Amino acid sequence: DSGVTQTPKHLITATGQRVTLRCSPRSGDLSVYWYQQSLDQGLQFLIQYYNGEERAKGNILERFSAQQFPDLHSELNLSSLELGDSALYFCASSRRGPDTQYFGPGTRLTVL
Amino acid sequence: GQQVMQIPQYQHVQEGEDFTTYCNSSTTLSNIQWYKQRPGGHPVFLIQLVKSGEVKKQKRLTFQFGEAKKNSSLHITATQTTDVGTYFCAGETGANNLFFGTGTRLTVIP
Repeated sequence: DSGVTQTPKHLITATGQRVTLRCSPRSGDLSVYWYQQSLDQGLQFLIQYYNGEERAKGNILERFSAQQFPDLHSELNLSSLELGDSALYFCASSRRGPDTQYFGPGTRLTVL
Repeated sequence: GQQVMQIPQYQHVQEGEDFTTYCNSSTTLSNIQWYKQRPGGHPVFLIQLVKSGEVKKQKRLTFQFGEAKKNSSLHITATQTTDVGTYFCAGETGANNLFFGTGTRLTVIP
């Protein structure tokens, strides 16, 4: 158990819909990262937040957005969903910057 | 842009054989980390290398960081079925960014 929690574990929705994925980092960690992992793919970095502020952006689509709240939990919002958005979405946290990252169990999103 | 490439993408070995995955960066890294993701699981931190030429061992796993701090390798001696999974390297640049490699998926045939 990494100490990072993600909800929900599974999400099944239809094209065009919007969903919100939630992540709670390990106690004391200020940085939160979001990754997308499609079948047989590596980890695609989406976005990083540090202490509530956006720190770095990766290959995040305009239909996707994220935020980190004062209690440091983070949400990833995916809108106008397409079939190709079906993937595992991981959240990771670290103490500060790019320290060791601790990954949550992931949310498996299926878009039908 | 910054890229971290790993080879091979896939590797099948007989149980007991050795395995090596290589990680190469287009730019100098301040440190490199290695992660393992078991099938159906999430990436788990294995180790971090910081110094040029550094070598670290964890039981049957040997990690190396190149002299130029642009490449790294993970070598597993006498693989076991428990070694199955995808191994990722992740390199940190001085610009405070961590770039994950493309991963090497290891299959161990009993």
